[in-house]
Amino acid sequence: QKEVEQNSGPLSVPEGAIASLNCTYSDRGSQSFFWYRQYSGKSPELIMFIYSNGDKEDGRFTAQLNKASQYVSLLIRDSQPSDSATYLCAVNFNSGYALNFGKGTSLLVTP
Amino acid sequence: DVKVTQSSRYLVKRTGEKVFLECVQDMDHENMFWYRQDPGLGLRLIYFSYDVKMKEKGDIPEGYSVSREKKERFSLILESASTNQTSMYLCASSFYGQGGETQYFGPGTRLLVL
Repeated sequence: QKEVEQNSGPLSVPEGAIASLNCTYSDRGSQSFFWYRQYSGKSPELIMFIYSNGDKEDGRFTAQLNKASQYVSLLIRDSQPSDSATYLCAVNFNSGYALNFGKGTSLLVTP
Repeated sequence: DVKVTQSSRYLVKRTGEKVFLECVQDMDHENMFWYRQDPGLGLRLIYFSYDVKMKEKGDIPEGYSVSREKKERFSLILESASTNQTSMYLCASSFYGQGGETQYFGPGTRLLVL
């Protein structure tokens, strides 16, 4: 069974702090990894994707990938109340173009 | 920008009715997907399609069928709606090539089966 695991949260951080969201996956052969943000009642929207080990930065967001340890994380710097949402981790298990999604981590940024 | 649209935002149907959910994308993407999303269960893949007239079962295809007669349109059909199919239905599309696994989602259809 190929799985993507995330802590459901809620993760609560104060405004201006760094939020750290983590995701582990079961298939060592996985090639590509995605972070989506989903506001309540809305559809998921892509934040960023990462293919290679290491860090990838996009504005306030940094994705970190460690294939040896089979985890991928998302850091949100200078967190804002508007970042309060559920964050979904998705993994391509190298079986075509389908993605496997984690159940998401709920993030709450408090003013 | 990628645009994925779904025919309805909210839908209320009766048990036993045949239900059609339509999804259209305007970016010439080869791949299209149907998911349902339920609290505590996350996104679950129902069906997907790699090409016109091609379809593949996802994790939970029972009670559903799909149709892809044109590249831009992917329909989800509930042959005989049941109350346990009350859910949020999300369509997504992606393309072949570098970065092609990225899926772009439509706004979702919230279906209530009474």
